[in-house]
Amino acid sequence: EMQLVQSGAEVKKPGESLRISCEGSGYSFSSYYITWVRQMPGKGLEWVGRIDPGDSYTNYSPSFQGHVTISADKSISTAYLQWTSLKASDTAMYYCARHLDNTGYHDGFDIWGQGTPVTVSS
Amino acid sequence: QSALTQPASVSGSPGQSITISCTGTRSDIGLYNFVSWFQQHPDKAPKLLIYDVTKRPSGISARFSGSKSGNTASLTISGLQAEDEADYYCSSYTNSVTWVFGGGTKLTVL
Repeated sequence: EMQLVQSGAEVKKPGESLRISCEGSGYSFSSYYITWVRQMPGKGLEWVGRIDPGDSYTNYSPSFQGHVTISADKSISTAYLQWTSLKASDTAMYYCARHLDNTGYHDGFDIWGQGTPVTVSS
Repeated sequence: QSALTQPASVSGSPGQSITISCTGTRSDIGLYNFVSWFQQHPDKAPKLLIYDVTKRPSGISARFSGSKSGNTASLTISGLQAEDEADYYCSSYTNSVTWVFGGGTKLTVL
């Protein structure tokens, strides 16, 4: 079964650092981009950025560029989303999702992780 | 990059058909056939319903269909069922090599 399994819930204070993870299984992890999506409480989906696990090339939304870092370790089929200095406004559910195709001929996010809730509060 | 525009809510009775619109620009929906639709039930992860404007992944009911005209994409759900009550989101690839979601539409089955 192809799946993405994310790390557990996090509670942090403003200014702290954090890294959450997304482990893929059941498919060739290096062959499909991974995207990260934010969903603030009661709000819609926002695209954060994506990574090609094969070469670690990344793209970020302008809204998130410089505030988060996306990385991957293909040897353990895991992608990461990290912050060096959290803000209260980072409180949200974060999902990872697999792009269904890397050839450029098709597009969509076909496999989603279960989500990682992040709470930032003093 | 501004979010795609969706109606905040739509409703319909069981058995009816509803359509949800998703309006973008010439830089995203109008430029690429890379529009997707997702269904999200409360406290669940989103689920892919439609990709490449009109294609359904394996296992998705034929009651769900997608289309596009100019800068606007649409999702149609026919034969509404109670289990279709959920939030629906569109997304599109953009010419900035980014992706953008719509604001989401809450579907109520009356």
